Amino acid sequence: AQTVTQSQPEMSVQEAETVTLSCTYDTSESDYYLFWYKQPPSRQMILVIRQEAYKQQNATENRFSVNFQKAAKSFSLKISDSQLGDAAMYFCAYTLGGSEKLVFGKGTKLTVNP
Amino acid sequence: KAGVTQTPRYLIKTRGQQVTLSCSPISGHRSVSWYQQTPGQGLQFLFEYFSETQRNKGNFPGRFSGRQFSNSRSEMNVSTLELGDSALYLCASSLPTGLNTEAFFGQGTRLTVV
Repeated sequence: AQTVTQSQPEMSVQEAETVTLSCTYDTSESDYYLFWYKQPPSRQMILVIRQEAYKQQNATENRFSVNFQKAAKSFSLKISDSQLGDAAMYFCAYTLGGSEKLVFGKGTKLTVNP
Repeated sequence: KAGVTQTPRYLIKTRGQQVTLSCSPISGHRSVSWYQQTPGQGLQFLFEYFSETQRNKGNFPGRFSGRQFSNSRSEMNVSTLELGDSALYLCASSLPTGLNTEAFFGQGTRLTVV
C-alpha cells in the first residue's frame, strides 16, 4: 500500500527558532514527487515546497528546506526563523509520476509561540 | 489570476438526500481532483478529471460521483447521504504537464449531514 506517515501529530516552536517536521513514505515506484502543504485555519491548502525524487539535491524555499533521504524514504521539513504566520497544519504528500493523485499523511499541527 | 473557486462554502443536508458540489479551476488548468478531509481519515483522494474524463478514482462507494465540463469546471455528487459523509471537500486544479507541478486548492465546501 502506498502510505505517508507523519509521526508527530503536534509540534510547537518558539518564534525565530527552528523546527523540523518528520515524514516517511512508502512506495515501490521510482518516479514520484514529494510535497509539503500547509493548511492554516482558513482551510486553504498552500504548497510549501516540492521535491523531485530523481533529484539528490534537497529543495529549499526561503526559510523552508527539506532533508530528502531516498533510501530511507524520509522527507522532513525544516522551518527556520519560525514566524507566527507559520502556525498551521502541515501535510506531507506524494504523487507518482504522471498522476495528479496526492497521497497525504495525517498532518502535523504546528504551534508557534511568541 | 483567480484561484480555485468552490461553491457553496457551507452546506447542511439531511441523511438520505443528495448533494452537488461545484469547483471552478484556475483558468487554463485542465485537471481537477477532489479530496475528502475528515478528522479521522485525514485527506483522501476521491477522483481526478482531465478533459472531461475520469482518469483516476479513489476507494469510495458508488454514491460518490463526479463529472467535468468542457470548460474544465467540475462537479461532484453524493447521493443517499450518510452521517459519515460529513467532511470538508477540497478541490484542486493543476496543469498536467507530466512534471507533477503544484496543485492549487480551493477553500473547500464544508458539508454537514444531520
